[in-house]
Amino acid sequence: DAKTTQPNSMESNEEEPVHLPCNHSTISGTDYIHWYRQLPSQGPEYVIHGLTSNVNNRMASLAIAEDRKSSTLILHRATLRDAAVYYCILRGGGGSQGNLIFGKGTKLSVKP
Amino acid sequence: EAGVVQSPRYKIIEKKQPVAFWCNPISGHNTLYWYLQNLGQGPELLIRYENEEAVDDSQLPKDRFSAERLKGVDSTLKIQPAELGDSAVYLCASSLAGQQTGELFFGEGSRLTVL
Repeated sequence: DAKTTQPNSMESNEEEPVHLPCNHSTISGTDYIHWYRQLPSQGPEYVIHGLTSNVNNRMASLAIAEDRKSSTLILHRATLRDAAVYYCILRGGGGSQGNLIFGKGTKLSVKP
Repeated sequence: EAGVVQSPRYKIIEKKQPVAFWCNPISGHNTLYWYLQNLGQGPELLIRYENEEAVDDSQLPKDRFSAERLKGVDSTLKIQPAELGDSAVYLCASSLAGQQTGELFFGEGSRLTVL
């Protein structure tokens, strides 16, 4: 399985932007980059995904490096509700490659 | 629209006892997953179903764990007998079938404590 590397933890101040990095140097051409987050005592929830181009949705933006070996999840204005563990996941094609395999993620703390 | 529903939310049992968890996926979602999450770790995939067929159960410890998804809708995950190391949160997720970009929807999980 393709692997990702994320910092164990990050801190942010409320109402400031947050950039969560992810390295995936062994990414293959058909792997999509997915981000999920897990709030305390809840199941993970989908945030965003992309293949090559940068992506925006109501929750966040995803910036993907030109060589696709790294990506950054951007929360434009952190709130206390954004405190969670954020997982960067590579998701391949058919069969077991399509499974969502979680790492340890980045625990984001947001200070008021 | 109702999300993925799991029960029970919490379960405490003695070791060597059996336990079962139930999952009702989002209506119309053909794919169902069971994950295990230990404290401080990311979720680990146990089994994936496409309709009623278990298409990937390579990570399911088959000596004590079993799962079924009769009629391709609800699913149960059973542990018999439970061991101390099985204490964890068991998460169920569902998605539309076979999509590399498809979003997984997770339930809140069932927290198991084995004494």
